[in-house]
Amino acid sequence: AQSVTQPDIHITVSEGASLELRCNYSYGATPYLFWYVQSPGQGLQLLLKYFSGDTLVQGIKGFEAEFKRSQSSFNLRKPSVHWSDAAEYFCAVGARAAGNKLTFGGGTRVLVKP
Amino acid sequence: EPEVTQTPSHQVTQMGQEVILRCVPISNHLYFYWYRQILGQKVEFLVSFYNNEISEKSEIFDDQFSVERPDGSNFTLKIRSTKLEDSAMYFCASRLGESSYNEQFFGPGTRLTVL
Repeated sequence: AQSVTQPDIHITVSEGASLELRCNYSYGATPYLFWYVQSPGQGLQLLLKYFSGDTLVQGIKGFEAEFKRSQSSFNLRKPSVHWSDAAEYFCAVGARAAGNKLTFGGGTRVLVKP
Repeated sequence: EPEVTQTPSHQVTQMGQEVILRCVPISNHLYFYWYRQILGQKVEFLVSFYNNEISEKSEIFDDQFSVERPDGSNFTLKIRSTKLEDSAMYFCASRLGESSYNEQFFGPGTRLTVL
């Protein structure tokens, strides 16, 4: 069965500082991996995705993530955080089957200090 | 830009009542999903739907739940007899289909409150 762990429930970062959110997954084969962001009262917006190929993927809003198969990780990074990045971030693994259901991690809430 | 829409944004109901949550997926998408997020918990898969039938469902999706695509645009989730523990945010998602490279696009959610 597939699963996702986000070890950090909350992270507080100063505006302009770098951000890294951790994600570890469990899946029997090469996974499809996603990062979604949820602002308060909003739905889930896709930041980036990994399916195959280059293990460093670029997303929207200046985010990037690196797939490391040996560590079963897909950590999300941003070099310089903006106040508007305050939100909850979810890592998800997608099944490589026709249904392609997503399994989400518990989320990491990011607070940005001025 | 096309988007997934959901109505209502907030639904309050009494325990034991039936509710129908509505979604309009992106028009050329073929796969449809419902997920839920109980307050403070992770987003959980409920069901996927393709070609007018359920393709996969979770153990949460018991006989109290059903899904339907009554016309060419709507995708509904019905809960026949709501329980207190059904209170959650329900997200609809759609995917273009065929290629698993297509990501799921999520709607803004319906917050269901069961009293």
